[in-house]
Amino acid sequence: NAGVMQNPRHLVRRRGQEARLRCSPMKGHSHVYWYRQLPEEGLKFMVYLQKENIIDESGMPKERFSAEFPKEGPSILRIQQVVRGDSAAYFCASSPRSGIDNEQFFGPGTRLTVL
Amino acid sequence: QKEVEQNSGPLSVPEGAIASLNCTYSDRGSQSFFWYRQYSGKSPELIMFIYSNGDKEDGRFTAQLNKASQYVSLLIRDSQPSDSATYLCAVGAGGFKTIFGAGTRLFVKA
Repeated sequence: NAGVMQNPRHLVRRRGQEARLRCSPMKGHSHVYWYRQLPEEGLKFMVYLQKENIIDESGMPKERFSAEFPKEGPSILRIQQVVRGDSAAYFCASSPRSGIDNEQFFGPGTRLTVL
Repeated sequence: QKEVEQNSGPLSVPEGAIASLNCTYSDRGSQSFFWYRQYSGKSPELIMFIYSNGDKEDGRFTAQLNKASQYVSLLIRDSQPSDSATYLCAVGAGGFKTIFGAGTRLFVKA
């Protein structure tokens, strides 16, 4: 049973370009979470999605950031017009359920560098 | 006040000792509590979760929860150098969001 897959593992973009980060949850998991982690800091919640629905996007910046989890295919975190401050590790996690027992399993992360 | 607080460390313990990691949280409505381990440059991996007051043991790991004090801890018995990592406390506050602490760095000396 493959774990959570993320690609690309490393992404380099110049300021103003777009970044697309992909996440394929574990088989049987329909709940996806995106987090951002800056060096030496904890994980910051960005968004929680179920298939085709955004459930909680309270951690997403209001501009330039969007997320989707289509019926078919991976979840996508999209960052438009990237700036240097977007450089971070972006982790995706999946869970088989919501509720209090929503143990989350993390992918390897995408390390975004904005030049 | 941060929602989930951890001592950043580093916490240094000798091999074979007990490492004690602590976490406090601010939301009294929190219902679920998780401990993750993160090696440098890697992704977090789930070690334990606990929902009820008291202790929960799994191998060398014991999670302790005290909801009245809004406190959760992780004990690692017989610490090994391979346990050296950052330990993240995470709290599910009801609803769907899980809040992570900034982590405690543990260093186990051989």
